[in-house]
Amino acid sequence: QSVLTQPPSASGTPGQRVTISCSGRASDVGSNGVDWYQQFPGTAPKLLIYNNNQRPSGVPDRFSGSKSGTSASLAISGLQSEDEADYFCAAWDDSLNAHVVFGGGTKLTVL
Amino acid sequence: QVQLQESGPGLVKPSQTLSLTCTVSGGSINSGNYYWSWIRRHPVKGLEWIGYISYAGNTHYNPSLKSRVTMSVDTSKNQISLKLNTVTAADTAVYHCARGIGIGGLYFDYWGLGTMVTVSS
Repeated sequence: QSVLTQPPSASGTPGQRVTISCSGRASDVGSNGVDWYQQFPGTAPKLLIYNNNQRPSGVPDRFSGSKSGTSASLAISGLQSEDEADYFCAAWDDSLNAHVVFGGGTKLTVL
Repeated sequence: QVQLQESGPGLVKPSQTLSLTCTVSGGSINSGNYYWSWIRRHPVKGLEWIGYISYAGNTHYNPSLKSRVTMSVDTSKNQISLKLNTVTAADTAVYHCARGIGIGGLYFDYWGLGTMVTVSS
């Protein structure tokens, strides 16, 4: 069972705006930046968003991140068929046994 | 462009030691303040961070695996290594190495493709 909670699935139609939620605790999401990764089957995960809302070079601005308290969200606007992938959130956990924690992942389907 | 590639046995027997190597190309492990990490993806449980090692050899492990994990770095070969001892079927996963940046937390900007490790007799 993953520390951060994500819905197992999400879906949308091309052009639509979709959001994926990530819920954590005060010691992880509540205290540190949230990062988002995109993964296609058989490929390496790709950094999509870091520190809540920062996009690495090359990531389209259709992808955006936000955080409030112990919850974070990834929003994808202008949904495209090539966005169909798994999405994971992650954060550093500041508790006594500090470490990185991940969400269970959300499978995004473009209908 | 930094690239990472994992290598090692795809099959390990229960109670034995899993040993993997990650070779970094397109950049030196010595350059920059990075946290070279191992992360695994379980078939059902999802992603789990195993730990990191810096170019200077400083390590930090996931407390759930700390008693069984050893990471090392070979700067002359631009490689990091992972050893996980006393493995069980629960350690069956795809193992990735990744470059970590520790600003606002710890995020990973480059990942290896991953290597599948099955624990079975």
